[in-house]
Amino acid sequence: DAKTTQPTSMDCAEGRAANLPCNHSTISGNEYVYWYRQIHSQGPQYIIHGLKNNETNEMASLIITEDRKSSTLILPHATLRDTAVYYCIVRVAYNTDKLIFGTGTRLQVFP
Amino acid sequence: NAGVTQTPKFQVLKTGQSMTLQCAQDMNHNSMYWYRQDPGMGLRLIYYSASEGTTDKGEVPNGYNVSRLNKREFSLRLESAAPSQTSVYFCASSEWGDGGQPQHFGDGTRLSIL
Repeated sequence: DAKTTQPTSMDCAEGRAANLPCNHSTISGNEYVYWYRQIHSQGPQYIIHGLKNNETNEMASLIITEDRKSSTLILPHATLRDTAVYYCIVRVAYNTDKLIFGTGTRLQVFP
Repeated sequence: NAGVTQTPKFQVLKTGQSMTLQCAQDMNHNSMYWYRQDPGMGLRLIYYSASEGTTDKGEVPNGYNVSRLNKREFSLRLESAAPSQTSVYFCASSEWGDGGQPQHFGDGTRLSIL
């Protein structure tokens, strides 16, 4: 599975969009990009995933560059409850289903 | 809908004691996983079960055993606990199939070994 690089921490004002970048320059053609978050000490929460196309759900949007070497998770209107560690993970979908977590980006949303 | 349920939520053991962590899911998922998370670090995979009747080692399997009891339940056993196994343990499950099925996690078991 490809390795990802994320900033260690980011800040965002409440109500503004939070844009979390992820670099995955060695991604393979059959690897998906997943985003999870972990609020305080809770279990990781699935946010969104995608292969090539941009994706949107009720929580967030995922923008994947055309060459698939990087992506951005967008929380359109960040709230204090979005303060968490966000993990970007790439993996082959059908193989072993294992997730390899890095250290993620700690997003702090401030009032 | 409970999702993934882990028991117990907290446990303190003495070095050398044994213990089984329980995990059950009600989403009819084929695959289940055990991870550990140490302070300030990401999750690391201990063992996983791609389907009922199969188990495989992950990144950090030493000192652990697992049992896939049935499709719903996947237990993690520490035969002789060591202080290095003090951690938060997370169980997860996912459907098996193409399209990148996401994993769903429980709330964790916080284990301290003295």
